[in-house]
Amino acid sequence: NAGVTQTPKFQVLKTGQSMTLQCAQDMNHEYMSWYRQDPGMGLRLIHYSVGAGITDQGEVPNGYNVSRSTTEDFPLRLLSAAPSQTSVYFCASTRSGGAFNYGYTFGSGTRLTVV
Amino acid sequence: GESVGLHLPTLSVQEGDNSIINCAYSNSASDYFIWYKQESGKGPQFIIDIRSNMDKRQGQRVTVLLNKTVKHLSLQIAATQPGDSAVYFCAENMGNSGYSTLTFGKGTMLLVSP
Repeated sequence: NAGVTQTPKFQVLKTGQSMTLQCAQDMNHEYMSWYRQDPGMGLRLIHYSVGAGITDQGEVPNGYNVSRSTTEDFPLRLLSAAPSQTSVYFCASTRSGGAFNYGYTFGSGTRLTVV
Repeated sequence: GESVGLHLPTLSVQEGDNSIINCAYSNSASDYFIWYKQESGKGPQFIIDIRSNMDKRQGQRVTVLLNKTVKHLSLQIAATQPGDSAVYFCAENMGNSGYSTLTFGKGTMLLVSP
């Protein structure tokens, strides 16, 4: 049981490049979400999904796209990377019965630097 | 490497002391609250949660207190150990029976000296 797996762990991009951050979970969780974490800012929600085929925007969605074609995978796409997107990105998931007594399970993060 | 702890409030305690970490939340309609622990270079790790219809909940060495009147949440750690050193985040959530957005506080760094 791997939990929430994020790849890559580290990435350096040039301004304007595109890339996809991968997130996969093997717990059959319906809810998945993406956060970014900047120093002193806590975690801020980018996009989330309540099930396959359903996505919605969070607090800071600009510059990012998501899709949810399967229950297991929730990739995050940067269409044209900007230095302001330098951050640590976390994917999280939780079960369909709600998060009480369980919380949300987080991946180990992807550290992205845009130069 | 990147420091999650930059500009964060810091609580420094001695090993064996009890620690209290406080959090003010923003939305009076939030019905579910979670405390997370984040060690350097890792993702947040679930510690304990509480529903809005509760005032207190206890786990192993941890207690969460909720005061809805002043929108305040606290995490008490008993007999703090060096392994407890980390950044602690509170998070509020609406709709614990379904899904919604989880809103995090900015975090508090706990430093435990042996």
